[in-house]
Amino acid sequence: GNSVTQMEGPVTLSEEAFLTINCTYTATGYPSLFWYVQYPGEGLQLLLKATKADDKGSNKGFEATYRKETTSFHLEKGSVQVSDSAVYFCALVHSGTYKYIFGTGTRLKVLA
Amino acid sequence: DAGITQSPRYKITETGRQVTLMCHQTWSHSYMFWYRQDLGHGLRLIYYSAAADITDKGEVPDGYVVSRSKTENFPLTLESATRSQTSVYFCASSETRVGGEKLFFGSGTQLSVL
Repeated sequence: GNSVTQMEGPVTLSEEAFLTINCTYTATGYPSLFWYVQYPGEGLQLLLKATKADDKGSNKGFEATYRKETTSFHLEKGSVQVSDSAVYFCALVHSGTYKYIFGTGTRLKVLA
Repeated sequence: DAGITQSPRYKITETGRQVTLMCHQTWSHSYMFWYRQDLGHGLRLIYYSAAADITDKGEVPDGYVVSRSKTENFPLTLESATRSQTSVYFCASSETRVGGEKLFFGSGTQLSVL
């Protein structure tokens, strides 16, 4: 079946450090891939998405590239800020199904 | 205000009690979802609805009931609450167009079953 695997957290970084959060998936066909972010006390909100192989999603300095050959969608940011502290979820969905499969989430803590 | 709202924000109840969590959206999105969030499990789908009067089970539906008589409302009922249902519950909605699978989440309901 479909699944999403994320690196275990928490990830603790100093401000301005480089961030990578790994995400790999198992799925039939060509799902769309997403990163959602959850700030403390809030619901999830879409950070970025990619709908086909080699697409790069980007938003707020975050990037992720849809790699079909490695079934990965790693999240990166060149210089994190304290305000990026949150939980990040990788997810997939097949177009038209609306049934998301979420990873377990990775907590990021950025220290000033 | 426009958006998706959940109530209550926090709820404490006892084992065996019936509890209803409310969800209201103002966008007229066709699809609505209920998820529960637990440490180590991420988000798991409980029920979803494609339109008014159309609902279907998700990954973990046991012990829950939903209804959708109006497009904008999608309440979730725990008929007889159990401790294992202690969790944070999120309601979400989505447009129906292809490529429009972005989920819009409410702020969540933190439920404790004692």
